Amino acid sequence: GAVVSQHPSWVICKSGTSVKIECRSLDFQATTMFWYRQFPKKSLMLMATSNEGSKATYEQGVEKDKFLINHASLTLSTLTVTSAHPEDSSFYICSARDLWLGGLSYFGPGTRLLVL
Amino acid sequence: DAKTTQPTSMDCAEGRAANLPCNHSTISGNEYVYWYRQIHSQGPQYIIHGLKNNETNEMASLIITEDRKSSTLILPHATLRDTAVYYCIDEDAGNMLTFGGGTRLMVKP
Repeated sequence: GAVVSQHPSWVICKSGTSVKIECRSLDFQATTMFWYRQFPKKSLMLMATSNEGSKATYEQGVEKDKFLINHASLTLSTLTVTSAHPEDSSFYICSARDLWLGGLSYFGPGTRLLVL
Repeated sequence: DAKTTQPTSMDCAEGRAANLPCNHSTISGNEYVYWYRQIHSQGPQYIIHGLKNNETNEMASLIITEDRKSSTLILPHATLRDTAVYYCIDEDAGNMLTFGGGTRLMVKP
């Protein structure tokens, strides 16, 4: 149980285009989802917290207009990287939490984004 | 910022127990100790968590000191597939998880 999926697993795009990453909780309802990014050989950095049906809360330094987050249902959150640039190339990881599971966070497998 | 400190790296012989320490000297009464690990190019995997009692599951054991200022994750019989970065996090249940640098465990044959 407690499986989180992400799609796509990897994506290559041209500079200036937008990329959407999906995060799904497959066997539980996620009241809260978190989005992280990770650069090579670095730790995970929290980007934003999204609660179902409300606006996301972004961490300091993360541009909300560039990283659009939508959490329209209890099993799906999306992260859209708008007008992507090479410096946005990174490993994006989501996690999902359900308070009925004791508040544990379960992580997706990650999406590797390469912007050319 | 992360509230825990861990050694940057450790080695362990295959088949032996791996003991990974973590200091969380500022932990508060409501905060749990969580352990996750991240195998290369994958998302973090939950291992175990505890509040003040020692815990054991099919993956590992968690030993928390009586003053709760430090803990040790024990992998009883490490295998090559246990090579990963191990993160120790102290946080209130349900809060977002803040990751530090973790410990890079290398299991060697």
